Amino acid sequence: DAGVTQSPTHLIKTRGQQVTLRCSPISGHKSVSWYQQVLGQGPQFIFQYYEKEERGRGNFPDRFSARQFPNYSSELNVNALLLGDSALYLCASSLAAGRETQYFGPGTRLLVL
Amino acid sequence: GENVEQHPSTLSVQEGDSAVIKCTYSDSASNYFPWYKQELGKRPQLIIDIRSNVGEKKDQRIAVTLNKTAKHFSLHITETQPEDSAVYFCAGKTFGNEKLTFGTGTRLTIIP
Repeated sequence: DAGVTQSPTHLIKTRGQQVTLRCSPISGHKSVSWYQQVLGQGPQFIFQYYEKEERGRGNFPDRFSARQFPNYSSELNVNALLLGDSALYLCASSLAAGRETQYFGPGTRLLVL
Repeated sequence: GENVEQHPSTLSVQEGDSAVIKCTYSDSASNYFPWYKQELGKRPQLIIDIRSNVGEKKDQRIAVTLNKTAKHFSLHITETQPEDSAVYFCAGKTFGNEKLTFGTGTRLTIIP
């Protein structure tokens, strides 16, 4: 019973660098959402993708981008990293857009130095 | 946009007692309200959810109530156990909007 998987688990980058995070949804799920969780806070919505199209975008700068592949996996890219981008990046999958129940992956912990 | 407030931020209860966490939301169009449990260093895990056409839902020791008029919903945990210690997040979702808006979390500690 494979749940949502994410890679890598941890990542250390320096300011100005770029990072790519990966997510594979639960088998049969076609929608992927990305969230940023800063220590001590609740997750903040970044993007949702369904059938390779962006279906929602949160209040994040254009340095953040994402895409979804034909197999429904997804990548989150962050350019020109800032110290404030240090956070746990969570991927959540759901059956489809509009199907509310979202299941989270273990996250990628990003540290920007 | 939707705003979800959650309290208390920390809660300590004796093992066996009940715990209640409350959330309020701002958007009357919100129609889905999940609760997640997050243990230290782990992923948020969905523990129960409720839709706006239902006033209460129960799953063993966990229950959620929703008051649409007052725009608030609550998580009730009965007969608490040490493994209930975690951070709990409420969230809300508006119909037609894909994002979950989370509260700020409640750190629940069960005292043996």
